[in-house]
Amino acid sequence: DGGITQSPKYLFRKEGQNVTLSCEQNLNHDAMYWYRQDPGQGLRLIYYSQIVNDFQKGDIAEGYSVSREKKESFPLTVTSAQKNPTAFYLCATSQWAADTIYFGEGSWLTVV
Amino acid sequence: KNEVEQSPQNLTAQEGEFITINCSYSVGISALHWLQQHPGGGIVSLFMLSSGKKKHGRLIATINIQEKHSSLHITASHPRDSAVYICAVRSQGGSEKLVFGKGTKLTVNP
Repeated sequence: DGGITQSPKYLFRKEGQNVTLSCEQNLNHDAMYWYRQDPGQGLRLIYYSQIVNDFQKGDIAEGYSVSREKKESFPLTVTSAQKNPTAFYLCATSQWAADTIYFGEGSWLTVV
Repeated sequence: KNEVEQSPQNLTAQEGEFITINCSYSVGISALHWLQQHPGGGIVSLFMLSSGKKKHGRLIATINIQEKHSSLHITASHPRDSAVYICAVRSQGGSEKLVFGKGTKLTVNP
């Protein structure tokens, strides 16, 4: 089946640790995005990538890092520099900027 | 003031009722998206609009570019329509960024 796979669904992080969220797509889409969702807030853009080996910061990139070594994959690392990482993280893709956007099922990250 | 405002924040309806969710925005846009977020968190794209009206099943989305306003209508609502409905806009100029509203939580009771 075509789609976007995010993993893990639930993740617990100890303070001071880095964690990596996986996002894989087989839709052959060029653009991939990472969003963060907090209760009562709209989605906010962390990073996006339009092409392999290139990515751009979004509105809240501090404390996060990404890579785009393959078209299919866009992993997000939440570093220890992110002071308030507990949130719901969503990966999304589109064929190009003006096209329909497709979302993964999301990953819940909790700091313990 | 947020660039994208949705109303109402919460909406409770009885099965069969006609539902309207509103979205107003303050910037020039190239497209507007309506999204549905299920209780588990996954998001599905319902519509992408740049003008006029679109219909899919019991869902209808309209947009008025001059008034910077869009509506999502659900006819003959059903409990399975219970979800959070999110409006998002893409600014003019080819920006990669979508700006999201905070969502409208819809509960349809049987």
